[in-house]
This record gives sequence, structure tokens and C-alpha cells, in this order.
Amino acid sequence: DGGITQSPKYLFRKEGQNVTLSCEQNLNHDAMYWYRQDPGQGLRLIYYSQIVNDFQKGDIAEGYSVSREKKESFPLTVTSAQKNPTAFYLCASSITSQGDGYTFGSGTRLTVV
Amino acid sequence: GESVGLHLPTLSVQEGDNSIINCAYSNSASDYFIWYKQESGKGPQFIIDIRSNMDKRQGQRVTVLLNKTVKHLSLQIAATQPGDSAVYFCAENWSEDSSYKLIFGSGTRLLVRP
Repeated sequence: DGGITQSPKYLFRKEGQNVTLSCEQNLNHDAMYWYRQDPGQGLRLIYYSQIVNDFQKGDIAEGYSVSREKKESFPLTVTSAQKNPTAFYLCASSITSQGDGYTFGSGTRLTVV
Repeated sequence: GESVGLHLPTLSVQEGDNSIINCAYSNSASDYFIWYKQESGKGPQFIIDIRSNMDKRQGQRVTVLLNKTVKHLSLQIAATQPGDSAVYFCAENWSEDSSYKLIFGSGTRLLVRP
């Protein structure tokens, strides 16, 4: 079945460490996105990529980095510069950069310990 | 600024009644809107979408209305069921410098009373 897979489901990070969240899709979608969700709040855009080897900052990119070396993969690194990384992270993809067929993964819950 | 907002943070309805969830968007150039349902600990689930060349679209038990004049979007759920209890988000496809991104509102929690 085609879909978008995030791993791991739960992730714990010590302060000062970088961690990388995985996002893989086999939908042949051009565009991919990373969102952050805090409890009781909506989704905020971190980074997005409309095509391989290209990505743009979203509304809250500070403390995060991404890469898009392959069409099917869009990993997100939460760096030590992100002062409040504990949150629910959601990856999404769409058929084109215009948002057609938007599909979400099941999320990764990151906790700083 | 870039924002999609909701008028009601929590909506409580009786099982069997109709529910209406409202949303205001800010970018008059947005041409595509989506409603999502999110259950606790899960990713958002697509409910229904609508393009700016339409003012109404119907799905199974759900209807989305778009009023471009006042930049308002609503989701109507007919015969609300306990399984409809969740947080609902509207999102607008934000166009800027030939780049598109989906911007979400803060969400409305729907509680269905048995």
C-alpha cells in the first residue's frame, strides 16, 4: 500500500543532542512538508520541499534542518539550537507543489529528557 | 500575517444533531482549502476539500461552504456521531512567490454527547 511513514513513533532526546526524524513516502509525491504541533494547538510549518534538492523555510524553521536528496525521503533534524523541541512532529506530502492530494504521516512524538 | 483562525475552540453537540465548525482565512489569493480531522496522538485525516471556484461541496455526511467575499469557510457534519469527536482543522493553500504551502488554523474540538 502506498503511504507516508514516519519513524520512530516516540523519540527521547537529551538536552544538547541533535536528533533526526525520518519521513519516507512511496506515493511518488513531488512535495513534502514538516509540521510541529504543540498540545492543544494547530500545526505550524517548519520546512517544506517542492522538489528534490530544494527546500524552503516555513514559519518556525529556527533550530531545525532538512535535506531532500531523494524524492521519497525528507528527514528533519532537530538541533541543539531548538530550545523547546518537545512536541508532536508531522510529516506530509502532496502530489504537486500546489497541494494536491495532501497526505499526512502518523507523527513522531519527541520528548527532551 | 499568515493565519487561518477558528471562531470556536470547543463545540459540544448532541448525538444526531448537525454540527457546524467555522473558520476564517486571511489570504484572499488562497485557492484551495481542506478540512482535517485529528484524533488524539494521530496525524490529521483528510475530510473534504474545496477549490476557490466553488462555494459548496458535499461529501458523505459532510458539506464544506466557502464564502470568498468574507474569507470564511465552514464544515457541516450531518447527524453527528460519537466517532466524530475529534479536533477539526481548516487549512488554506497559501500561495506566495509561486510557492505553495498549507497553513493550518488552531483547531476546534468537537465533543459529541450521547
